[in-house]
Amino acid sequence: KQEVTQIPAALSVPEGENLVLNCSFTDSAIYNLQWFRQDPGKGLTSLLLIQSSQREQTSGRLNASLDKSSGRSTLYIAASQPGDSATYLCAVRPDNAGNMLTFGGGTRLMVKP
Amino acid sequence: EAQVTQNPRYLITVTGKKLTVTCSQNMNHEYMSWYRQDPGLGLRQIYYSMNVEVTDKGDVPEGYKVSRKEKRNFPLILESPSPNQTSLYFCASSFSQSSYNEQFFGPGTRLTVL
Repeated sequence: KQEVTQIPAALSVPEGENLVLNCSFTDSAIYNLQWFRQDPGKGLTSLLLIQSSQREQTSGRLNASLDKSSGRSTLYIAASQPGDSATYLCAVRPDNAGNMLTFGGGTRLMVKP
Repeated sequence: EAQVTQNPRYLITVTGKKLTVTCSQNMNHEYMSWYRQDPGLGLRQIYYSMNVEVTDKGDVPEGYKVSRKEKRNFPLILESPSPNQTSLYFCASSFSQSSYNEQFFGPGTRLTVL
């Protein structure tokens, strides 16, 4: 059964730092991997979607990479801002389970002014 | 505005009193699903639907029912809620099963069962 792990569980950085969030998964048979952002009391906002055949995706200050063979993905946030403070979730879509996403536990990010 | 909406956003109820949480999307998406989010357990899928009249169980379907009579709506039904169903519930949708389609989530419904 697919398991997704995110390390660290929490991270606090000063404003302006570049940072990397990690996601690992146990089964490399995936269709895609999606990164989400969740603000307290709110829903999930999709940040980036990487297909299994892709190595990375970029959106603004965000860059997500995927190494399917090693079961790893990273989310790189450049020049962090206080508004980036949120919980970041990665989710993989196994290739044998319809559209079901398997989520990691999330990384709670705090960017201090 | 393209979105997934859920109602109610907050609900406090008592054990055994039937309730329905509604979910609606205005993006003509084929695929819809329900997740619950619990501390330490993350998000887990309850039920999903590939299209109208097609539904199937996710990882944690016990105690829940769903229906998909219209493409845009996918209500979650708790026939006899119990305290262990206290959770944060999310509805999600995507255009199709294609791997190129990202999933969009609703704002969440916080349910407390006393």
